[in-house]
Amino acid sequence: NAGVTQTPKFRVLKTGQSMTLLCAQDMNHEYMYWYRQDPGMGLRLIHYSVGEGTTAKGEVPDGYNVSRLKKQNFLLGLESAAPSQTSVYFCASSFLAGARQPQHFGDGTRLSIL
Amino acid sequence: GQQLNQSPQSMFIQEGEDVSMNCTSSSIFNTWLWYKQDPGEGPVLLIALYKAGELTSNGRLTAQFGITRKDSFLNISASIPSDVGIYFCAGHLQGGGADGLTFGKGTHLIIQP
Repeated sequence: NAGVTQTPKFRVLKTGQSMTLLCAQDMNHEYMYWYRQDPGMGLRLIHYSVGEGTTAKGEVPDGYNVSRLKKQNFLLGLESAAPSQTSVYFCASSFLAGARQPQHFGDGTRLSIL
Repeated sequence: GQQLNQSPQSMFIQEGEDVSMNCTSSSIFNTWLWYKQDPGEGPVLLIALYKAGELTSNGRLTAQFGITRKDSFLNISASIPSDVGIYFCAGHLQGGGADGLTFGKGTHLIIQP
């Protein structure tokens, strides 16, 4: 009963380091999303993908890149980490996009940048 | 970006009490969703609403899609300790295409035994 799996669960980086967060879903969903969650805030959309090989910018895309080389995986990259990117990152997926397709979330990756 | 106004920010209640929270927006939404987030976990969908005026229940939870399509509320009856957590409203904007959801800032529910 995996659903949406995020790795790693925790990570500490130094400013300027790079890393990639992995999201994998086993529900054959077309759409995948990356959000960040900061204290006292709701989730904000970073990037999303409407299918294999496609990506698009969300509300807060700056400083992040994404790739969707395989349908089941959606990668979020930080090329040069900054303290402002300290956050909890959530991946979500849905079968289709739009109003009638609720998104299913992973358990998050907690990222601290020193 | 578009924001949903969710209130209250936090609630301190006694076990057994009923709970009510709501979300409002200046924009029209096609969908309203209510999620619950437990510590260290991702949001889990509680109720999905797809039509203006729709009233939907899930056990002790009841949610409604406002007639104006700019608001929604969630009620929890006879609260129990496992109801503790953060509740988020989320919506899909009219004409939003494949974009992700717009989230409220959450209502933190704390239950005193």
